[in-house]
Amino acid sequence: QVQLVQSGAEVKKPGASVKVSCKASGYTFTSYYMHWVRQAPGQGLEWMGIINPSGGTTSYAQKFQGRVTMTRDTSTSTVYMELSSLRSEDTAVYYCARGSVYYGSGSSSIAFDCWGQGTLVTVSS
Amino acid sequence: DIQMTQSPSSLSASVGDRVTITCRASQSISNYLNWYQQKPGKAPKLLIYAASSLQSGVPSRFSASGSGTDFTLTISSLQPEDFATYYCQQSYSTPYTFGQGTKLEIK
Repeated sequence: QVQLVQSGAEVKKPGASVKVSCKASGYTFTSYYMHWVRQAPGQGLEWMGIINPSGGTTSYAQKFQGRVTMTRDTSTSTVYMELSSLRSEDTAVYYCARGSVYYGSGSSSIAFDCWGQGTLVTVSS
Repeated sequence: DIQMTQSPSSLSASVGDRVTITCRASQSISNYLNWYQQKPGKAPKLLIYAASSLQSGVPSRFSASGSGTDFTLTISSLQPEDFATYYCQQSYSTPYTFGQGTKLEIK
């Protein structure tokens, strides 16, 4: 079955970087874009960006431009999200989510049909 | 960025009730609207895509409609497992923004 398994929780100091991994299985890794979404404690969902596992191209939310880097390793079907210059406001659960394209009459739509279990990143001095 | 606004932010209801959650986009997004359910400590789960299409495996008591800027999610007869937080999300343009969530609680 389709599965996304993320790396474990991290505790980082302000100013440090964190790299979260997301290993995909049960489908053709290069056929689906991967998104990253985060959720601060008690808050809503925030889209961070997207990576095309096939070519490695990325697109990031303006808010994270310059601080986030998404990469992939096709040999292990794993995507990575690295966030630098961490501050306390970056404390959150970080999710990878597979983007599926749904085709309807004359149009297509994207939705996140499979999610990783989440990785808690705590930023604290 | 497209702003998504859900109402209400929280809702108390009983098992068997029919409930409706509303989501409004700050500009027209055609039918590029998804609904997710999230339970505490868990990842979100896709319920509805393209405004009204039920994701495989999701019970038929869930339905949704809308186009343009106004959308609704309806649960026809609440079951105990439906008490959770619901989010709408637009996939019209990046950044793919979410609503702030609607917490559905047991009355």
